[in-house]
Amino acid sequence: ETGVTQSPTHLIKTRGQQVTLRCSSQSGHNTVSWYQQALGQGPQFIFQYYREEENGRGNFPPRFSGLQFPNYSSELNVNALELDDSALYLCASSTGREPETQYFGPGTRLLVL
Amino acid sequence: QKEVEQDPGPLSVPEGAIVSLNCTYSNSAFQYFMWYRQYSRKGPELLMYTYSSGNKEDGRFTAQVDKSSKYISLFIRDSQPSDSATYLCAVGMEYGNKLVFGAGTILRVKS
Repeated sequence: ETGVTQSPTHLIKTRGQQVTLRCSSQSGHNTVSWYQQALGQGPQFIFQYYREEENGRGNFPPRFSGLQFPNYSSELNVNALELDDSALYLCASSTGREPETQYFGPGTRLLVL
Repeated sequence: QKEVEQDPGPLSVPEGAIVSLNCTYSNSAFQYFMWYRQYSRKGPELLMYTYSSGNKEDGRFTAQVDKSSKYISLFIRDSQPSDSATYLCAVGMEYGNKLVFGAGTILRVKS
């Protein structure tokens, strides 16, 4: 069984740039959720994709957008990067819309200068 | 008021000690309760989940939920240096789509 993978592992961008982060879900999982984890904080829900459709969104501005592909992999796009976007971005996959068994990838660490 | 409150620690204990980690939550609509362990620069790893009041045991770990008090706990018996990590509590709603996390408690087990 393949776990959740994310790429890239690290990324450095400058303010105003755009970034795309990628996630491959665990085998058999059709749901992907994205979280932002600032230093010293718990992860915060950005949005979830279930069978290629957005299934809920947290308190993040529209410059955070996403996509899920037919193979259930997913992308997180962030436009007009701000310094506060510096964080660990986590992808979690699960078998359905229920929250109880989300399995996380290793994350992408984004630094905005 | 945050939806989930968790003391960030750090909590430092000697090897072999019993560790108690705790969270409180504010919304009685939360029905799922999880504990994740996160090592430095890694993603969270699911340790335990439960959806009912009472205790659930898995090896050295026991998760406890008290829905009447909106209080969740994780107990670690015979703690080991390898247990040193950040422990995150998380809650979710039935048919909900997101986990709400506490800030995490840093645990250090000294050998």
